[in-house]
Amino acid sequence: DVKVTQSSRYLVKRTGEKVFLECVQDMDHENMFWYRQDPGLGLRLIYFSYDVKMKEKGDIPEGYSVSREKKERFSLILESASTNQTSMYLCASRRQGINEQFFGPGTRLTVL
Amino acid sequence: GEDVEQSLFLSVREGDSSVINCTYTDSSSTYLYWYKQEPGAGLQLLTYIFSNMDMKQDQRLTVLLNKKDKHLSLRIADTQTGDSAIYFCAESIGNTGKLIFGQGTTLQVKP
Repeated sequence: DVKVTQSSRYLVKRTGEKVFLECVQDMDHENMFWYRQDPGLGLRLIYFSYDVKMKEKGDIPEGYSVSREKKERFSLILESASTNQTSMYLCASRRQGINEQFFGPGTRLTVL
Repeated sequence: GEDVEQSLFLSVREGDSSVINCTYTDSSSTYLYWYKQEPGAGLQLLTYIFSNMDMKQDQRLTVLLNKKDKHLSLRIADTQTGDSAIYFCAESIGNTGKLIFGQGTTLQVKP
């Protein structure tokens, strides 16, 4: 079974803090994705990575950066957290050329 | 740009059929997907359909695709309380692996 894990289920941070959200997958998948989920808006793609050290902006990259130093790990970084980044963050991975994306359980981030 | 639309809420009685609808705009989509999200969990792929098909059946699930109208539906037969969840429609964009998701439809199943 594919396992995608995220470092925290719940996180509370203060405005201006630097925040790291970690995602690890155990199936040697090339592609990894970060989404945020907001009620009534569905999932929106923040960044994705085709492979190690590669990254591409998604639809809403502003205020975020990512790091993919190892194939199994994809980190989302909020350089200076703001209240409008309060959201559910979902990580996913996919084997190159295969349809299905496998999702982690999500991290609910609250920025006060 | 690409856009996927769904209604936000559907309520049915246990044992009835549920039909969740979705419209999309990108005619070059190769695959269309239905994902399920149970409370407190990530998304789980339920089923998908290739764009040159018009129907796919998998046990209680039937997916209908009208490519001309860019309309996708998911029918759940004999809906159970365990089917209560948020259902997301998504389309794939080219060969990038990127998915565009709809807003999600919350399905409430009443006993």
